[in-house]
Amino acid sequence: AQKVTQAQTEISVVEKEDVTLDCVYETRDTTYYLFWYKQPPSGELVFLIRRNSFDEQNEISGRYSWNFQKSTSSFNFTITASQVVDSAVYFCALSEAAIYNQGGKLIFGQGTELSVKP
Amino acid sequence: GAGVSQSPRYKVAKRGQDVALRCDPISGHVSLFWYQQALGQGPEFLTYFQNEAQLDKSGLPSDRFFAERPEGSVSTLKIQRTQQEDSAVYLCASSLRSPSSSGGSEQYFGPGTRLTVT
Repeated sequence: AQKVTQAQTEISVVEKEDVTLDCVYETRDTTYYLFWYKQPPSGELVFLIRRNSFDEQNEISGRYSWNFQKSTSSFNFTITASQVVDSAVYFCALSEAAIYNQGGKLIFGQGTELSVKP
Repeated sequence: GAGVSQSPRYKVAKRGQDVALRCDPISGHVSLFWYQQALGQGPEFLTYFQNEAQLDKSGLPSDRFFAERPEGSVSTLKIQRTQQEDSAVYLCASSLRSPSSSGGSEQYFGPGTRLTVT
C-alpha cells in the first residue's frame, strides 16, 4: 500500500527557532519520488522539492533542508531560523514509478500546519 | 510566465445543481491532474490527462463526476447533481512531461475552486 503519514498536525514556534516537520511513507516500489509542498493561507500549493528514491543525499536550500532516510522511510523537512512568512500548511507527497502509477499522481499526507509567531 | 489558473475561485451551488470547474494549465504542459481537498486534509487524486487522453480516472468518487480536456489544453471538471459531500476545494495541477519519460515530475498547482454545496 502507498501511504504518507505526517503525524504532526500543528506546530507552533517563535520566530528564529528551528523546526522539523516529519514525514513517513509507505510504498511497494523501489523507484519512487518524494515531494514537499507549501500551502499558504492563499491556498495555492507551492512546490518546494522533489527527490527520487535513488538519491539519499540531504539537500539544503537557504534556510530549508531535507533529510531523506530510506532505512526509516522518512523524508523530514527542517526550517532553520523560522520566520513569520513560513507560516503555512506543509504537505509531504509520494509518487510511485510509472509502472504502478501511470499518471504520476501524488499521494499526500494530511499536512502539518506551522505557525510562526513573532 | 503565467501559472495554472482556475475559475471560478468560489462557487456556491444548491444541492442537485450541476457545476463546471475550469482549469487553464501552464502552456505546453503535457500532464494535467485534478485533486479534491477537503477541509483540513491533504489533496486527493481524482483524475489525470496526458494531452487530451484521460489515462486515469480511478479517483473520481462517483459517476456524477466527469472531466474532459478535448484539445489537450484547458480542462473542465463537471459535477452533476451536486451533494453536500462534494463541498471541497478542487485543485488542478499541470506538469511539463509525461511520467513515463521522466518519472515523478513536479506538479504545479492552481489556486483552486472552493465549492460549497448548500
